[in-house]
Amino acid sequence: DTGVSQDPRHKITKRGQNVTFRCDPISEHNRLYWYRQTLGQGPEFLTYFQNEAQLEKSRLLSDRFSAERPKGSFSTLEIQRTEQGDSAMYLCASSSGLAGLANTGELFFGEGSRLTVL
Amino acid sequence: QKEVEQNSGPLSVPEGAIASLNCTYSDRGSQSFFWYRQYSGKSPELIMFIYSNGDKEDGRFTAQLNKASQYVSLLIRDSQPSDSATYLCAVNSQFVRALTFGSGTRLQVQP
Repeated sequence: DTGVSQDPRHKITKRGQNVTFRCDPISEHNRLYWYRQTLGQGPEFLTYFQNEAQLEKSRLLSDRFSAERPKGSFSTLEIQRTEQGDSAMYLCASSSGLAGLANTGELFFGEGSRLTVL
Repeated sequence: QKEVEQNSGPLSVPEGAIASLNCTYSDRGSQSFFWYRQYSGKSPELIMFIYSNGDKEDGRFTAQLNKASQYVSLLIRDSQPSDSATYLCAVNSQFVRALTFGSGTRLQVQP
């Protein structure tokens, strides 16, 4: 399978615990995005990487959230001290947009990591 | 005002009819527009993209763009029950290096 893969698919945690999600993008894609989606809403942008550089972060991304993409390959999204409001589907997407162009191009999404904070 | 607005629906159409889904956006500098389909419990998948004013057809799907009115639509001809899903409009904003999504319109195609 050469699509975007995410792990774990489901995570149930208690409030205050830390959680980490992993995303493996399509191998030739240099752009990687994290989105969050809650029921009845569209995906909300969290952060964007071009290769290993984190170029953009949404105002939604509080300081409890941190994302990395070492070596420009897989990415991790960590949420520290989880709150019930963090319960959502965390979607990773990648694209092959040409560097320097503003056009995002088509995003290919993974199946998502569903977080439930009790 | 939301950056990308869609009617949440549900939009209910009979099988074989034309479904018309609409989207408005606020950023006049937006250059590219995407329609994604999302089945319940699944991730979004791209149906079409459009960059230029006018119509773009792909099989049963037609995307329409009017930049002056800041309006983009998706027509689905000969709707099938398998088309029942949430349709997300996404826009490439000049302010964010990522797609901005609407909240989606839920389409129900009645057999």
